[in-house]
Amino acid sequence: AQSVTQLGSHVSVSEGALVLLRCNYSSSVPPYLFWYVQYPNQGLQLLLKYTTGATLVKGINGFEAEFKKSETSFHLTKPSAHMSDAAEYFCAVSNTGNQFYFGTGTSLTVIP
Amino acid sequence: NAGVTQTPKFQVLKTGQSMTLQCAQDMNHEYMSWYRQDPGMGLRLIHYSVGAGITDQGEVPNGYNVSRSTTEDFPLRLLSAAPSQTSVYFCASRPPPGSGFLLENEQFFGPGTRLTVL
Repeated sequence: AQSVTQLGSHVSVSEGALVLLRCNYSSSVPPYLFWYVQYPNQGLQLLLKYTTGATLVKGINGFEAEFKKSETSFHLTKPSAHMSDAAEYFCAVSNTGNQFYFGTGTSLTVIP
Repeated sequence: NAGVTQTPKFQVLKTGQSMTLQCAQDMNHEYMSWYRQDPGMGLRLIHYSVGAGITDQGEVPNGYNVSRSTTEDFPLRLLSAAPSQTSVYFCASRPPPGSGFLLENEQFFGPGTRLTVL
């Protein structure tokens, strides 16, 4: 069975500060890993994904994440937060590509 | 392309009523799926389909039926709605294998249907 844990259901950062959203997963086989962003009253949009290859993955809007197998982690970072980054962020894992398991989400607030 | 479309956007049902949530995509994606989103629980997979005529259960299938008669459409049926099915429902589709690295395993989500069961 697979599961995803997102530490911190709410994260607040100041504008211009580092954004760090944590994601740990459990999977019996090498996983596919994803970060999605959801703006209010909208569907989910893919930020970035890890499938194979380089463990540091760059996504849209300046976000990146690093797959660390030894720590079973896939934390999302952005060097400098912008007001437009305020949203809900979901980490997800899949090992077959057919069943996806999502974390419970982290709501990011950016303080001016 | 319109992408993934869902209708209706909002729906209120009484306990015991039935309804169908519609989902369609015009990207010729073979894989389609339904999720429900509840506060504090993230998204949970209800059912998915890897092609026309093929469906399978996800994490929380009870109370929901699906069918896939065409590549484009993947309706979700609630036969007898219960208050526990109050949720936001998202449909998603995914390109087929061999679509290229940029699209591989990426799911495209619809805008959602907000369902309330009284």
